[in-house]
Amino acid sequence: QQQVKQSPQSLIVQKGGISIINCAYENTAFDYFPWYQQFPGKGPALLIAIRPDVSEKKEGRFTISFNKSAKQFSLHIMDSQPGDSATYFCAARPDRAGNTPLVFGKGTRLSVIA
Amino acid sequence: GAVVSQHPSWVICKSGTSVKIECRSLDFQATTMFWYRQFPKQSLMLMATSNEGSKATYEQGVEKDKFLINHASLTLSTLTVTSAHPEDSSFYICSARATGRGSTGELFFGEGSRLTVL
Repeated sequence: QQQVKQSPQSLIVQKGGISIINCAYENTAFDYFPWYQQFPGKGPALLIAIRPDVSEKKEGRFTISFNKSAKQFSLHIMDSQPGDSATYFCAARPDRAGNTPLVFGKGTRLSVIA
Repeated sequence: GAVVSQHPSWVICKSGTSVKIECRSLDFQATTMFWYRQFPKQSLMLMATSNEGSKATYEQGVEKDKFLINHASLTLSTLTVTSAHPEDSSFYICSARATGRGSTGELFFGEGSRLTVL
């Protein structure tokens, strides 16, 4: 119930293409869904986050799509660039402002090739 | 945005020695900090939740006597790996949540500390 399942494990996208990473969860108490970007040797950085009261959130080239009934959410990276090559983690938590820790997906290694 | 600083960013030590890693929230107060461990090409594994002024809450399977956590102030938490062994070699990452009036409650991560035990 505490798991967040992330796919694919790795992804290769051509420059300019759309990168799509999917996550699914079981715990209906999850109320906050962030995505993190991590470069090798660095800590994760918050990319974009969504709450289940909206179905989509867009920030620049990054969009989260949220399907509450299916308990799924996905990250779309439009016009993917080589600089987007990194590991992406989805996460979830029951309460955005609470002290419960995030539950992370296993990560997706994205490679954007020219 | 908010900054969480970790120090040292990398450390090499001999087996049997202890190593302290510091995690500081530079521009906000954090009553709660989280310590994670990450092996190569794997996800973040939560080790413990550090609460200012009280004992840390450890996840199942994490030895509290080996990984000592102290959260003595609203801006500093430390992780001490005691009697380190090669299997403790890993990337340790802390995170902190901004609290207080006007804070967003977002979780910010440090840059990580790579520990290598010889």
